[in-house]
Amino acid sequence: DTEVTQTPKHLVMGMTNKKSLKCEQHMGHRAMYWYKQKAKKPPELMFVYSYEKLSINESVPSRFSPECPNSSLLNLHLHALQPEDSALYLCASSHDPGQTMNTEAFFGQGTRLTVV
Amino acid sequence: AQSVAQPEDQVNVAEGNPLTVKCTYSVSGNPYLFWYVQYPNRGLQFLLKYITGDNLVKGSYGFEAEFNKSQTSFHLKKPSALVSDSALYFCAVRGFSGGYQKVTFGTGTKLQVIP
Repeated sequence: DTEVTQTPKHLVMGMTNKKSLKCEQHMGHRAMYWYKQKAKKPPELMFVYSYEKLSINESVPSRFSPECPNSSLLNLHLHALQPEDSALYLCASSHDPGQTMNTEAFFGQGTRLTVV
Repeated sequence: AQSVAQPEDQVNVAEGNPLTVKCTYSVSGNPYLFWYVQYPNRGLQFLLKYITGDNLVKGSYGFEAEFNKSQTSFHLKKPSALVSDSALYFCAVRGFSGGYQKVTFGTGTKLQVIP
């Protein structure tokens, strides 16, 4: 299994709603990532989990809250979002979160989020 | 700070012709370079990477990339383009930035293969 699975594929939420994005991988990868991607732009790193611990937070607003319940799952909890948060949210994983840099990332298909 | 430049927003090529998507990079130390492809409303798919060794790297779907250290370039190539190759292509470099590993993506190049 070489897939990263994200659910839901599409999400529309109001600015007062609370919702969660889910990501799952069964490749034994110990690094997992959340990216935000606006249309026709490159992905922007939000969070990195290394061995289920948050290792990087790229100054993301607190209305985005990541969670890594176990080595296969990664969640992104959303609360009180703004319309400008509408984007494609991508989850990715890679084999080694350590010092080696030759490992590629595997990306999920993304969740298309629209905040109304 | 590391950076990646993709100088062309869009590349148009006729089906069956060779294609090149350009990428130049800047990084401290050895470069670890990647190409990803993204189809509409999909995630990124890994195509190929350069770590060390041969300057010509072969990847998925018939793509290859040529690493040129003196020109700090890592251009993506394919001998004969297919309409199904039409997509958004991202070059990326992995290195240390601010004390931790970071992947920096280029701005992307839209490849349009014309039947």
